Amino acid sequence: DIQLTQSPSFLSASVGDRVTITCRASQGISSYLAWYQQKPGKAPKLLIYAASTLQSGVPSRFSGSGSGTEFTLTISSLQPEDFATYYCQQLNSYPITFGQGTRLEIK
Amino acid sequence: EVQLLESGGGLVQPGGSLKLSCGASGFTLSNYAMTWVRQAPGKGLEWVSVITGGGGRTYYADSVKGRFTLSRDNSRNTLYLQMNSLRAEDTAVYFCAVYGSPSRLFDPWGQGTLVTVSS
Repeated sequence: DIQLTQSPSFLSASVGDRVTITCRASQGISSYLAWYQQKPGKAPKLLIYAASTLQSGVPSRFSGSGSGTEFTLTISSLQPEDFATYYCQQLNSYPITFGQGTRLEIK
Repeated sequence: EVQLLESGGGLVQPGGSLKLSCGASGFTLSNYAMTWVRQAPGKGLEWVSVITGGGGRTYYADSVKGRFTLSRDNSRNTLYLQMNSLRAEDTAVYFCAVYGSPSRLFDPWGQGTLVTVSS
């Protein structure tokens, strides 16, 4: 199985900050990586797919990059509504796996 | 508008069975691959199963293989997850989602249904 390790697991930041979350895969997954945002009590929301393609309707302050085994999600200028938990996901092979999550909180 | 609505969750005893439904509106479910993802209380996301579009091939996580069965009723535009031999560790909110291809992504998602396995 492909393991995904996100870092950091917890991040405290302020509105306006630029933040980066890293996702490392235990083996190469090409660009079959997606990022999701989840708020308490809600379903995950797709932000990025194919490592760097912004899902329709997602603000342009979100961006993704990487290929192979190392990927990043960047939020260029944090807004109050961005405080949530973020998950990466690999869809290169079964079983599909998720990272453990990164909880982003207001400093 | 594309929407997914899960139902069928509830409290069940260990060893029992439950069948979850995921009703689709705004699109024809049989034309798409579909998936279930679960989230135990306070934990992260865990992929459970996929059924492909068209031919309906299924894939399962090892944690549910042999106990869960994914199927769909095209006439009802509904996806099902039959869960047997339930364990305490199956307690979770279960989400269904469209598995988009060829881009490989899960979107959109339903709101989830809670399954609690407890005596």
